[in-house]
Amino acid sequence: NAGVTQTPKFRILKIGQSMTLQCAQDMNHNYMYWYRQDPGMGLKLIYYSVGAGITDKGEVPNGYNVSRSTTEDFPLRLELAAPSQTSVYFCASRAKGQGAVNEQFFGPGTRLTVL
Amino acid sequence: QQPVQSPQAVILREGEDAVINCSSSKALYSVHWYRQKHGEAPVFLMILLKGGEQKGHEKISASFNEKKQQSSLYLTASQLSYSGTYFCGTEKSQYGAGSYQLTFGKGTKLSVIP
Repeated sequence: NAGVTQTPKFRILKIGQSMTLQCAQDMNHNYMYWYRQDPGMGLKLIYYSVGAGITDKGEVPNGYNVSRSTTEDFPLRLELAAPSQTSVYFCASRAKGQGAVNEQFFGPGTRLTVL
Repeated sequence: QQPVQSPQAVILREGEDAVINCSSSKALYSVHWYRQKHGEAPVFLMILLKGGEQKGHEKISASFNEKKQQSSLYLTASQLSYSGTYFCGTEKSQYGAGSYQLTFGKGTKLSVIP
């Protein structure tokens, strides 16, 4: 199992550009998440999905969009990039509990800089 | 609301013990602990469940006080490899089960020196 994979690892964008951060998992997990991590602030939830075709906003969704057409993939779209979106982005997945509480698995992260 | 972690940072010598605390203002279903090394993704350590169950790491223990909505992570006989930033992630109770969303604290930076 590759676990949770993310591409790209690094990216520099100019203000106003758009891009898609890719995330995939091969563990057949129902739940998937996108977080951003700024220095000293912990992880903030951007969007999450409870299954294919179902997504919902987290704590900091403005400026982002997501889709989930398959169980495996959960891309994050940035439209009109702004310097405030400079951050490290982590994708995570979690199995649906069958009478148990399961841990979240994190991808390696994407470091994005907007100049 | 973001859980509050304390202390913000701690420096230990090898072999010393440390306690990291996590406190929430909301009714919790579970508390998850992660460790993150610089430039890497968070790595799972421990889950504490409402009702007292736990699963996780052999050399690290934790507790969960449901009445106070507080969890503590105990690191004993610290090793150099324990260095990193520790995060708690809290999961709210929702209709008697978990909400499947974690809210993370700001982290506690642990440095272990020889």
